[in-house]
Amino acid sequence: EVQLVESGGGLIQPGGSLRLSCAASGFTVSTNSMSWVRQAPGKGLEWVSLLSSDGTTDYADSVAGRFTISRDNSKNTLYLEMNSLRAEDTAVYHCASLSVYYYDTSGFTAAGYYFDYWGQGTLVTVSS
Amino acid sequence: DIKMTQSPSSLSASVGDRVTISCRASQSISGYLNWYQQKPGKPPKLLIYGASSLQSGVPSRFSGSGSGTDFTLTISSLQPEDFATYFCQQGYSSPFPFGQGTKLEIK
Repeated sequence: EVQLVESGGGLIQPGGSLRLSCAASGFTVSTNSMSWVRQAPGKGLEWVSLLSSDGTTDYADSVAGRFTISRDNSKNTLYLEMNSLRAEDTAVYHCASLSVYYYDTSGFTAAGYYFDYWGQGTLVTVSS
Repeated sequence: DIKMTQSPSSLSASVGDRVTISCRASQSISGYLNWYQQKPGKPPKLLIYGASSLQSGVPSRFSGSGSGTDFTLTISSLQPEDFATYFCQQGYSSPFPFGQGTKLEIK
């Protein structure tokens, strides 16, 4: 059974730093693409960052330059280092695996992506 | 960036009803559209990917359709466990935008 368990959230002052962890079991972080997706209280879902199996990273414009995604293969754990935190970063942060599917369309094979496995999330509150 | 817009934002229905939720993309996304269900305090659960493919283990009363900019999630006969919030999501490329959600409530 796949399990993703986040930790590291808490109350932090604006401008502060925090590191989130996502420990995986029944699943290998290094051979899958992994993302962080956040949800502000009572709001919708926002993709934050992606770490592909080949090591490529990508970030939402709202966090680029402040957040860093990484993984420790020996610990089978995904991380999100968050710096220069702002009130608008307050949210539950979920880690999620991003899987690819292929289908034939208009004479060629297309690739699409979906988030299949999700962790329960860890709450980050940025407030003075 | 592509923007996803769902309608309605909330919906009241009864057990046994047929329900449809719409999702519109600000530009064509072909069939790269996913649907998720989220219950309070839980992470989202994938229901449909590629606009119409049912994720393994999801009941067949859920179905998806559409392509280009307009998509629909249909629940053929609402069950008590279906009352939740539903999100659509563009599944082609980052930033993988989500719709704002549709809250399905019991009438």
